[in-house]
Amino acid sequence: GAVVSQHPSWVICKSGTSVKIECRSLDFQATTMFWYRQFPKQSLMLMATSNEGSKATYEQGVEKDKFLINHASLTLSTLTVTSAHPEDSSFYICSALLAGWQETQYFGPGTRLLVL
Amino acid sequence: GENVEQHPSTLSVQEGDSAVIKCTYSDSASNYFPWYKQELGKGPQLIIDIRSNVGEKKDQRIAVTLNKTAKHFSLHITETQPEDSAVYFCAASTSYGQNFVFGPGTRLSVLP
Repeated sequence: GAVVSQHPSWVICKSGTSVKIECRSLDFQATTMFWYRQFPKQSLMLMATSNEGSKATYEQGVEKDKFLINHASLTLSTLTVTSAHPEDSSFYICSALLAGWQETQYFGPGTRLLVL
Repeated sequence: GENVEQHPSTLSVQEGDSAVIKCTYSDSASNYFPWYKQELGKGPQLIIDIRSNVGEKKDQRIAVTLNKTAKHFSLHITETQPEDSAVYFCAASTSYGQNFVFGPGTRLSVLP
């Protein structure tokens, strides 16, 4: 149980285009999902917290107009990188909060984005 | 805010030996401490976690200990196997599943 999927697993796009990444909780409902960014050989950095039915909360320094987050259902959150540039190339990972008496985050497999 | 340090940054052990990774945290209000294993090109996988009301937890070859007074917690892997080779991240949270602050990671190599 507690499986989180991401799609696509990797994407290559041209500079200036927008890319959408989907995060799904497959066997549980998640009112809260998180989006992280990870550069090579570095730790995970939280970008934003996504709550179902409400606006996402962005961490300091993360442009909300650049990284659009939509959490329209209890099993799906999407991250759209708008007008992507080479510096946006990174590994994007989502996680979903398994609520209950033992709350914890379960991570997706990640999406590698390369902007040319 | 919370700050999590992790040591060592790299660790090499012979197959069958034990590996210990230590994390320290700064916020005494932190109450949840998960450990994640991340293999190359994959997302982190939860391997064990511990809550502040428990001092030790074990799951087969993996154990975690927590010292709230000293504000540190450690991951212990016994009888290491080559498939244990990965990057391990600790995290601390003041509200269980939310507000995770991750350590910088430890790259573990288990040599056959």
